[in-house]
Amino acid sequence: AQSVTQPDIHITVSEGASLELRCNYSYGATPYLFWYVQSPGQGLQLLLKYFSGDTLVQGIKGFEAEFKRSQSSFNLRKPSVHWSDAAEYFCAVGAGGSYIPTFGRGTSLIVHP
Amino acid sequence: EAQVTQNPRYLITVTGKKLTVTCSQNMNHEYMSWYRQDPGLGLRQIYYSMNVEVTDKGDVPEGYKVSRKEKRNFPLILESPSPNQTSLYFCASSYRRSTTYNEQFFGPGTRLTVL
Repeated sequence: AQSVTQPDIHITVSEGASLELRCNYSYGATPYLFWYVQSPGQGLQLLLKYFSGDTLVQGIKGFEAEFKRSQSSFNLRKPSVHWSDAAEYFCAVGAGGSYIPTFGRGTSLIVHP
Repeated sequence: EAQVTQNPRYLITVTGKKLTVTCSQNMNHEYMSWYRQDPGLGLRQIYYSMNVEVTDKGDVPEGYKVSRKEKRNFPLILESPSPNQTSLYFCASSYRRSTTYNEQFFGPGTRLTVL
C-alpha cells in the first residue's frame, strides 16, 4: 500500500520569503501526487497535481511542485509567500487500483509579517 | 456553482443521540467520500462510495454508517455517537474514471462535538 509523509508539522516563514514544504511518498511505481490547501475554516482545495510528464508542475496561487523519483519526493514551493498563504497544506498520493488517495498528516504554514 | 455542501456546519450533541450529517454535490460525480480530520492525524477516510448503492469502508469506519440512494447525496450517520467521534468531518466527491485519479472536491466541513 502507498503511504505519504510530511515531515514538518509546522513551518514559519516571513512574508516575502521563499517556501518549501516537504512530501515523501512510498510506492513501488510512479504514483499520482497532489497538493491540497486548507484555509482556516474551509475545506480542502487542490493546488496542483502530477500524473506524468514534466516533473515540475505549476499550480494555482503561484505554487509549484517538483517530482523527484530518485528521492521519492514531491515538494511544494513558492518563491515569495503572502500572508494569505497561511493555511494547512496536505500532500496526497494515489496508487494501486482503488482510486483513493492517501493523505499526509499536513503541514501548518505560519506567515509572519 | 459547482460545489459540495454539508449540513450542519457545527453540531454539539450528547453521547448516544443519533445524528446525520448530510452531504450533497451538484457535479454529477460518481465517487463520494467521508473523512475525519484530527490534530496530528491528518485526514482519515471513513467510508466511500463508487456509485449509487455501492459503498465501502475506509480506514476508520467503526461507529459510522453511510448510504448512497441517490447520486448527489451521501449522508453520514452516527447511530450512537461517542466522545471519541468529536472531530472535523469532510465530505468529498470526484469523477470516477478507471484509468486515472481525479481531483476531489471538498465540502466546507462539519465540526462535531459529542459530550
